[in-house]
Amino acid sequence: NFMLTQPHSVSESPGKTVTISCTGSSGSIASNHVQWYQQRPGSAPTTVIYEDYRRPSGVPDRFSGSIDSSSNSASLTISGLKTEDEADYYCQSYDSNTVVFGGGTKLTV
Amino acid sequence: EVQLAESGGGLVNPGGSLRLSCAASGFTFSSYSMNWVRQAPGKGLEWVSSISSSGDYKHYADSLKGRFTISRDNAKNSLFLQMNSLRAEDTAVYFCARVSGYEWGWGQGTLVTVSS
Repeated sequence: NFMLTQPHSVSESPGKTVTISCTGSSGSIASNHVQWYQQRPGSAPTTVIYEDYRRPSGVPDRFSGSIDSSSNSASLTISGLKTEDEADYYCQSYDSNTVVFGGGTKLTV
Repeated sequence: EVQLAESGGGLVNPGGSLRLSCAASGFTFSSYSMNWVRQAPGKGLEWVSSISSSGDYKHYADSLKGRFTISRDNAKNSLFLQMNSLRAEDTAVYFCARVSGYEWGWGQGTLVTVSS
């Protein structure tokens, strides 16, 4: 079964840039779109990136997404870090008719 | 404004059943596929099930082994999840989510606790 692997945690200072990776276990991660969700403690997830790099309305352009086929991975980059960005981040994609989530990354700012 | 409101969660004994509901408003419910996703305490997101806009196509996580059934009533703008033979490991917050292309919109979730 297709799996997505994320680092358990990352930490960076306010104002800096951080990148969270999401690596596919097999096949090509580029064959299905990757989405990214932000989940603050006690809250529901919200979409910050969909279709690999698109931002929903209201999501600041400090958030960006990309795909690297050579490493079979997707990345979420957050620039100009703010303390409010501290949250869990999950990548998500598809495998045939099923939905696959990464294990989540705890971002500490 | 898109709104999704889950309900029906609560405390249930192991082996029991529960039916979750998700009331949709602010959009044409019958035009969108929907999903259920759960999150056990302190754990990550786990996809449970999806249903097409018409209700004709349904898919489930293998781990559920036929215990859960997803359905929808487009006339009542509602999504459902029937959960049977519940186990302690089914304890989680259950979220419904609307799928618009690849963009997901999430409800606030309802807590299901399976315990005697």
